[in-house]
Amino acid sequence: NAGVMQNPRHLVRRRGQEARLRCSPMKGHSHVYWYRQLPEEGLKFMVYLQKENIIDESGMPKERFSAEFPKEGPSILRIQQVVRGDSAAYFCASSPGFFGEETQYFGPGTRLLVL
Amino acid sequence: RKEVEQDPGPFNVPEGATVAFNCTYSNSASQSFFWYRQDCRKEPKLLMSVYSSGNEDGRFTAQLNRASQYISLLIRDSKLSDSATYLCVVNPLTGKLIFGQGTELSVKP
Repeated sequence: NAGVMQNPRHLVRRRGQEARLRCSPMKGHSHVYWYRQLPEEGLKFMVYLQKENIIDESGMPKERFSAEFPKEGPSILRIQQVVRGDSAAYFCASSPGFFGEETQYFGPGTRLLVL
Repeated sequence: RKEVEQDPGPFNVPEGATVAFNCTYSNSASQSFFWYRQDCRKEPKLLMSVYSSGNEDGRFTAQLNRASQYISLLIRDSKLSDSATYLCVVNPLTGKLIFGQGTELSVKP
């Protein structure tokens, strides 16, 4: 049973470009979460999605960031017009459900570097 | 006040030592609690869930005190491989996990 998969593992972008980060949850998991870890900081929640629905996006920056989890395919975290402050590790996690099965398992992360 | 606060690190201990980490949380409605470990800023890996009755997994013991909103992790007989950052994590049952800043442990030979 493959774990949570994320790609790319490393992504380099110049300021103003777009970054697309992909996450495939564990088999049987329908809940996806995105977290960001800035250099020298702890992990911070960004967004919680189920298939075709955003459940909680309270941690998402108001501008330039969006996320989706379509019916088919991986979840995508999209950052438009990246800035240097977006450089961070972005981790995706998945869980089987919400109540009673809330343990989240993390993918290896995408390290984004903005030049 | 931070939602989840942990002991500042780093903790430097010799092999075989017993080390304890403490954590407090601010949301009294929180229902689920965990300890994760993170190696060299790789992905967090679940170490153990924390239950009100306390729970033990080999050399690791976790305790929860809901009245004090306090969580602890005890590691006995430390191994070199225990060197990592230990993350106190709270789930207030809104779906998202709230992470503490982490406590770095370095076990020396």
